[in-house]
Amino acid sequence: SYELTQPPSLSVSPGQTATITCSGDKLGHKYASWYQQKPGQSPVLVIYQDSKRPSGIPERFSGSNSGNTATLTISGTQALDEADYYCQAWDSSHVVFGGGTKLTVL
Amino acid sequence: EVQVVETGGGLIQPGGFLRLSCAASGFNVNNNYMTWVRQAPGKGLEWVSVIYTDGRTYYAGSVMGRFTISRDNSKNILYLQMNSLRAEDTAVYYCARDRGSSDAFGIWGQGTMVTVSS
Repeated sequence: SYELTQPPSLSVSPGQTATITCSGDKLGHKYASWYQQKPGQSPVLVIYQDSKRPSGIPERFSGSNSGNTATLTISGTQALDEADYYCQAWDSSHVVFGGGTKLTVL
Repeated sequence: EVQVVETGGGLIQPGGFLRLSCAASGFNVNNNYMTWVRQAPGKGLEWVSVIYTDGRTYYAGSVMGRFTISRDNSKNILYLQMNSLRAEDTAVYYCARDRGSSDAFGIWGQGTMVTVSS
C-alpha cells in the first residue's frame, strides 16, 4: 500500500521559516494536501492541489510538490501555528495520510 | 452554513456493532465525495472509507469487510456501519466533505468518540 512519510517533529523559533516534508513514491505525480490540527480540534485544510490556499488561510502558508516530496512552508512562523500537520494524497481511489509532524514554536 | 455533525459514538464491547451518522447541512451529501477518517488516542489521522458521488465505495484494509459506508440522500446523512468491532477501532471518527474537486477535504465535523472495550 502507498505510504507518505513525514518527520515526527520540528521545532522553530517565532518569526523563522518552518519547512515540513512529506515523502512518497512519485508523489509529485499526485496532488498533495496539508491539514493543520491543534489539540482537541478537528483538522483544518491549509493547502490543497500542492500549493493552493483555501480562503481564510494566511499567506504565510505555502506548498510545493515535485519528485517524491511535497513540502509545506510556513513563513514567519507564529506561536499560533504550533500544531500537528498532516499531508494527504490519493492512491488508487484510497486516501492516504502521512504520519503527521508536530510543529513546536519556541 | 456548510457543516457536518457526527453522532452515534459510544462505548461498545469487542465484537459488537455501532452505526455512526454524519448529518450534513448547506450541501447535499450525494454531490460530494464524503469520507470517514479516524484518530486513535494520541495517534495520527487514519483514513477509513470514502463514498464517491456515483456511489462507489472504498475502504482501508483494516476495516474492509467489517465497515460499510452509505448515505441517505433524502435525509442528507452519511453513515458508517461498524461491525465486529475490535479494541484497535477505538478512536475519534471524523466525517469530512471534499472541496468539490475530489482532491482534498475542506469540511470536517467535530468527531464522535468510539471506545471498544469490555
